[in-house]
Amino acid sequence: AQKITQTQPGMFVQEKEAVTLDCTYDTSDQSYGLFWYKQPSSGEMIFLIYQGSYDEQNATEGRYSLNFQKARKSANLVISASQLGDSAMYFCAMILTGGGNKLTFGTGTQLKVEL
Amino acid sequence: GAVVSQHPSWVICKSGTSVKIECRSLDFQATTMFWYRQFPKQSLMLMATSNEGSKATYEQGVEKDKFLINHASLTLSTLTVTSAHPEDSSFYICSAEEKGEKLFFGSGTQLSVL
Repeated sequence: AQKITQTQPGMFVQEKEAVTLDCTYDTSDQSYGLFWYKQPSSGEMIFLIYQGSYDEQNATEGRYSLNFQKARKSANLVISASQLGDSAMYFCAMILTGGGNKLTFGTGTQLKVEL
Repeated sequence: GAVVSQHPSWVICKSGTSVKIECRSLDFQATTMFWYRQFPKQSLMLMATSNEGSKATYEQGVEKDKFLINHASLTLSTLTVTSAHPEDSSFYICSAEEKGEKLFFGSGTQLSVL
């Protein structure tokens, strides 16, 4: 079975600085997808970025980029130029290709952006 | 982008009553919907996979008689928490799959059982 590990329960970053949220995963499958979601205090899950296991380039979406290191089984999220509105819970998640869209989530990292 | 509506967003009920939560895909047909449960400051745990026109597939440890799932149409799945008890208090969130690819989440339902 697949597993997602987020070792940072909480992170602080100053406004306008970059921050990296760690995510490692464990699976024996060769074909999988990795996601990052943002969950503000309102509870909704906001999709941020996706990386397929066969994608050679690291995914980027605006201020978000995914540092994908396949050999190390890590998929860290980098947020550049942090904004106050980035304060939220961030979840790393994985699906197995061919296994339907059943997401396995990590335990999350609470990010707080300070002035 | 695609929108998934979840209703109600917040519900308080007495112990022993049943609560129904709706998940609707507003502008696409969702053959598959997923129901997750999230305790405070914890991760989302998949409860069940709901397929239109067939029985839901429950994850290990989830009581199917307690958490009834109905996916009667391509745009609606419902989760009914039967005979709710305080330990069922949680945040429930659905997601809907568009064309077997993209996944969109509802806004969640906070259930408090007194």
